[in-house]
Amino acid sequence: QQPVQSPQAVILREGEDAVINCSSSKALYSVHWYRQKHGEAPVFLMILLKGGEQKGHEKISASFNEKKQQSSLYLTASQLSYSGTYFCGTLGVSNYQLIWGAGTKLIIKP
Amino acid sequence: NAGVTQTPKFQVLKTGQSMTLQCAQDMNHEYMSWYRQDPGMGLRLIHYSVGAGITDQGEVPNGYNVSRSTTEDFPLRLLSAAPSQTSVYFCASSDGANEGYTFGSGTRLTVV
Repeated sequence: QQPVQSPQAVILREGEDAVINCSSSKALYSVHWYRQKHGEAPVFLMILLKGGEQKGHEKISASFNEKKQQSSLYLTASQLSYSGTYFCGTLGVSNYQLIWGAGTKLIIKP
Repeated sequence: NAGVTQTPKFQVLKTGQSMTLQCAQDMNHEYMSWYRQDPGMGLRLIHYSVGAGITDQGEVPNGYNVSRSTTEDFPLRLLSAAPSQTSVYFCASSDGANEGYTFGSGTRLTVV
């Protein structure tokens, strides 16, 4: 039931764009996106809800395809501060368990 | 606001010992969860609660107990520590199913 994230890792130059994907095999109520820096706790970026509502970071964009149970996180004009590991978390329609993907490590080089 | 406070930050236990990891939030959030994160891996849900008096098991509940007697506190009890429970433990809270989670700073636990 763990969502699948891709790619596992991305290396970018500052200013380049990246897309991180998250897919689930179960019907979803919402998809969460978080960023975690080494040695720190995850930090909330965005939540995408069934029905189209989105809440979160103004400079982050994401999409949620409810039919395919897939979400994508779009990081544009990347900055050094974007480095870290990005996790998606999925909440099913039948319970309150937020289940996490394995993460995508993003490295931004100057 | 303090947010989500976890104590202790570091702990070393001997195999077989028991202990309680404390988690408190001051945001009046109904939803609270405990996760463990092993090196290089994602978070795995141990137990969660959707309100005072209501708890349920997550993906990896064996060896752990929780209780939720107040909205603010959600302690995690390790019954008999094992080396496989060496991990970083995070507590998180949310204002509901339509909101994101705020995480505590974590407890790094080593069982020897």
